[in-house]
Amino acid sequence: GQQVMQIPQYQHVQEGEDFTTYCNSSTTLSNIQWYKQRPGGHPVFLIQLVKSGEVKKQKRLTFQFGEAKKNSSLHITATQTTDVGTYFCAGNFGNEKLTFGTGTRLTIIP
Amino acid sequence: EAGVAQSPRYKIIEKRQSVAFWCNPISGHATLYWYQQILGQGPKLLIQFQNNGVVDDSQLPKDRFSAERLKGVDSTLKIQPAKLEDSAVYLCASSLDGTYNEQFFGPGTRLTVL
Repeated sequence: GQQVMQIPQYQHVQEGEDFTTYCNSSTTLSNIQWYKQRPGGHPVFLIQLVKSGEVKKQKRLTFQFGEAKKNSSLHITATQTTDVGTYFCAGNFGNEKLTFGTGTRLTIIP
Repeated sequence: EAGVAQSPRYKIIEKRQSVAFWCNPISGHATLYWYQQILGQGPKLLIQFQNNGVVDDSQLPKDRFSAERLKGVDSTLKIQPAKLEDSAVYLCASSLDGTYNEQFFGPGTRLTVL
């Protein structure tokens, strides 16, 4: 079936270190969205990527969409305690529904 | 602007009982989604409405789950009868028009089936 895999499942970093999570699909995606879910909270939209090779930045966050539109990444520079949470990618396989990835849970060691 | 409202926030029932969840999306949002999120997993789409029509319900266990969106606004999700494996957070989300728009999630309903 159509699945979106994310790695790693967990990531523990020292505050100030960088963090990257990767999202992979076996088939081409129409678009991909990224969400952040704080512990005990609900997913909150971060960004959407649509074009092949697209790169978008939001302050310390950098999002990339692969040339083949099968993979994506989220990179956080110099992590802060406010970055704690689970990051999900969600891909659209052209069937007008989003399939969420397995998520990467980020914890920060102060 | 008010966000997506859900109720109740928490519900504890015994297996084989029935339960209903309610969602009020953001005003003007045509698309409404119900997700099931089991602890430690990503949200899984149960059903997606466009106005009051169903776009996708391929992962909805139709023998026990039902959902409706009357008048294209509020929505209810029902489980009857509940099983232990239905314990999860049920998230409602809405978007302006389809999956190329960002989804706004409600706070969710945490269901525990004993």
